[in-house]
Amino acid sequence: QLVLTQSPSASASLGASVNLTCTLSSGHSSYAIAWHQQQPEKGPRYLMKFNSDGSHNKGDGIPDRFSGSSSGAERYLTISSLQSEDEADYYCQTWGTGFVLFGGGTKLTVL
Amino acid sequence: QVQLVQSGAEVKKPGASVKVSCKASGYTFTRYGINWVRQAPGKGLEWMGWISAYNGNKNYAQKLQDRVTMTTDTSTSTAYMELRSLRSDDTAVYYCARGDNPYIVAMIDFWGQGTPVTVSS
Repeated sequence: QLVLTQSPSASASLGASVNLTCTLSSGHSSYAIAWHQQQPEKGPRYLMKFNSDGSHNKGDGIPDRFSGSSSGAERYLTISSLQSEDEADYYCQTWGTGFVLFGGGTKLTVL
Repeated sequence: QVQLVQSGAEVKKPGASVKVSCKASGYTFTRYGINWVRQAPGKGLEWMGWISAYNGNKNYAQKLQDRVTMTTDTSTSTAYMELRSLRSDDTAVYYCARGDNPYIVAMIDFWGQGTPVTVSS
């Protein structure tokens, strides 16, 4: 069964970098994912798509501080030079024949 | 620019139905799909289903398929989601979200602003 696993929380200091992880369940490491950001009291915003071959493309207006990478079944969202507005919930999303699946989300706190 | 503008907040009684609209602009409506996603208070994102704006094909989440209907009106570039037999645990913010393939369920690449739906007696 396909499951996306995210750590419930993460924290990092202003100006630092942070890696958020989304893990695909066993046997599903070839799936592409998308990352979405949800700032407090706002709707989600698409950040980027990340394919299993390492290729990716960002949404319009997404700063260069946001980047993605992968290793096996893990997909990473790296945010560098953290700013206060990066404090948000981050969700990974995947899809297949007739379904969309979200991870549980990671709440990022900027210290 | 791409916009998905949703209808306003709703308050419904248990057992009633709600219909949420999502008007698209800034892109060719029929070249994409529309997903519906909901978020209960303090919870994560839950996918409800998808409809092709190209041919009307649909996929619904299994837990909702008996109560949900998704439609589109290509003449007005508007998508609709109707949820019937509402229960208190349907209280959530409902989002429409563009899917980047008109033929199959795919990545979400743009979100509407959300429509709060409260179910309460």
